[in-house]
Amino acid sequence: EDKVVQSPLSLVVHEGDTVTLNCSYEVTNFRSLLWYKQEKKAPTFLFMLTSSGIEKKSGRLSSILDKKELSSILNITATQTGDSAIYLCAVEAISGTYKYIFGTGTRLKVLA
Amino acid sequence: DGGITQSPKYLFRKEGQNVTLSCEQNLNHDAMYWYRQDPGQGLRLIYYSQIVNDFQKGDIAEGYSVSREKKESFPLTVTSAQKNPTAFYLCASSRLDSLNTEAFFGQGTRLTVV
Repeated sequence: EDKVVQSPLSLVVHEGDTVTLNCSYEVTNFRSLLWYKQEKKAPTFLFMLTSSGIEKKSGRLSSILDKKELSSILNITATQTGDSAIYLCAVEAISGTYKYIFGTGTRLKVLA
Repeated sequence: DGGITQSPKYLFRKEGQNVTLSCEQNLNHDAMYWYRQDPGQGLRLIYYSQIVNDFQKGDIAEGYSVSREKKESFPLTVTSAQKNPTAFYLCASSRLDSLNTEAFFGQGTRLTVV
C-alpha cells in the first residue's frame, strides 16, 4: 500500500529559528514529490521535486529530494509568525492513472 | 481569474440525508480530485477523475459518489451510507500533459452532521 509519512506531527519554535520538516514515502511508480502550505483552508503549492529537479529554493524555504532514501526535507530559515501553518507533503504516483498521496502534515507554530 | 470554486463553504446535513458538494474549475485541467481532511489525518483521497465520464475510487470511497459530465465540474455526493461525514472536504485539479502537474485546491467545504 502506498504511504507517505511526515514528521514531526507538530512543532513550536520562536521567530528566527530554523526548522526542518521531514517526509518519507513508500510509493509504487513515483513521479514527483510536492510540498504545500495550508494556513486556513486551501493548501497552496510550494515546491515540486522530481528526478530531474531534486533541490528547490524560494526565499527562506528550500527543499531536497533524496531518491535513494525515499525522503524529502523542507527547510525554513529565519522563521516568522507568518510561517505558522500545516505543511503537507504529497507524492504523485503513476499506476495506470495519476494520483496524489498525502502525508498527515506537520503543524508548525512560530511564536513571536 | 482562473481557479477552483467550491460551494457551499459550510453545509449541515441531517441524519439519513444525501448532500452534494460542488466543485468547478476554469483552469482547463484534465484531472480533478476530492479529498477529505480530518484533524491529525492529513488529506485522504475519496475519488479522482482524469477524463470526462470516467472516475476512479480513492482510498475512502465508501459512502460517496461522484460524476464527471463536464470537464469543468466534479460534484461529490455524500450519501446516507457514509456513517461519519463530518469533515473538511477539498477539491483539487491538475494538468496531466506537462511537467507542471501540481494540484491546485479550492477553498473547501466544511460539512457537519446535525
